[in-house]
Amino acid sequence: QVHLVESGGGVVQPGRSLRLSCAASGFTFSSYAMHWVRQAPGKGLEWVAIISNDGSNKYYPDSVKGRFTISRDNSKNTLYLQMNSLETDDTAVYYCAKGQSGGSLDYWGQGTLVTVSS
Amino acid sequence: SYELTQPPSVSVSPGQTASISCSGDKLGDKYACWYQQKPGQSPVLVIYEDSKRPSGIPERFSGSNSGNTATLTISGTQAMDEADYYCQAWDSSTSYVFGTGTKVTVL
Repeated sequence: QVHLVESGGGVVQPGRSLRLSCAASGFTFSSYAMHWVRQAPGKGLEWVAIISNDGSNKYYPDSVKGRFTISRDNSKNTLYLQMNSLETDDTAVYYCAKGQSGGSLDYWGQGTLVTVSS
Repeated sequence: SYELTQPPSVSVSPGQTASISCSGDKLGDKYACWYQQKPGQSPVLVIYEDSKRPSGIPERFSGSNSGNTATLTISGTQAMDEADYYCQAWDSSTSYVFGTGTKVTVL
């Protein structure tokens, strides 16, 4: 049974950094691309990042490019999101999700809340 | 940037059919998928690769994608189907994009 558990969220001041983690279990982690998706309070879903199964390829939307970095440790079955230069608009629940063929995300974690506020 | 547009809300009576549209330029040339999100919960994939249902998703959920529009259809809608629904598409040029979301209300 696939299980994804995010951690690392919290309250942080604008301009500061935060690192999120996502512990994966129940599937062969090293075989799948992984994503981060966020949802601001009361808003829709926004894709944040993807990393290939071996970590060699990473892509981001313009809204976070240059500030956020996705990474993974396949030996620990863990996905990361390093968030730098945080802005108030980055306030959201951050989900990690497993990628599958055709570009869909077939399993999601429970999310971790990041609040950027002074 | 690529955009996917959904109606903000759809209302349906129990037992009837709900259809949710998702519009984007040449969307039919890409794979579309759909997620269901209930209040306070994480999204759940209900349709992938335009029309495939993941294991455990009821047969009343179906999908299609052609031209500029993908459609999620819920046949015999039940009260438990009340939720927000998001479409999503991907291709190498547009990357990953979510639709604006549709709130389905079962009256």
